[in-house]
Amino acid sequence: QVQLVQSGAEVKKPGASVKVSCKASGYTFSNSGVTWVRQTPGQGLEWMGWISAYSVHTLYAQNLQGRVTMTTDTSTSTAYMELRSLRSDDTAVYYCARATSPSSGYVYWGQGTLVTVSS
Amino acid sequence: QSVLTQPPSVSGAPGQRVTISCTGSSANIGANYDVHWYQQLPGTAPKLLIYGSTNRPSGVPDRFSGSKSDTSASLAITGLQAEDEADYYCQSYDSTLSGYVVFGGGTKLTVL
Repeated sequence: QVQLVQSGAEVKKPGASVKVSCKASGYTFSNSGVTWVRQTPGQGLEWMGWISAYSVHTLYAQNLQGRVTMTTDTSTSTAYMELRSLRSDDTAVYYCARATSPSSGYVYWGQGTLVTVSS
Repeated sequence: QSVLTQPPSVSGAPGQRVTISCTGSSANIGANYDVHWYQQLPGTAPKLLIYGSTNRPSGVPDRFSGSKSDTSASLAITGLQAEDEADYYCQSYDSTLSGYVVFGGGTKLTVL
């Protein structure tokens, strides 16, 4: 069965960077893209971006351009999302999801990773 | 402020029918981009309920249905059950620079 397992919770100081991993299993990782979505405490979902199969294409949300980088490692079937220059309003649960295209519905999700930004 | 507008809350008694609206614009739903719906229980990842505006993934009960018209979409839940109490989100694609993929602000469904 398809599974996406994310790395554990992180606590970071403002200005630092965080890199969240998402290890996939149960399907051919290199044939499908990955999207990242975050959810601030008590708030709604925010789409962060998408990386295509074979990492050919990346799309990032406009408000995160320049601070976010999404990559994949096909040798370990793992996707990564790095967010830099962290601010307190980046405190959120970060989810990865399998996404054949950015506009597709996301069936398979990771369990979420809480990133807390605090001085 | 979300590009897709949902009511903050809806409620209904067990067995009743409720609908949740998702209002967009000519840049997203009105441009004929697909609408997807998710259910999120507290502390869990979203679950896809409806994709392509009207289709249910396998395993989703037929009590859940989706529709789309012009610049809006709706999720209908019939035969309301206590376990349906959750947050619901719509998702679509946006052709402006607002972010490519946009979510509604979410709707809290309370089963009375």
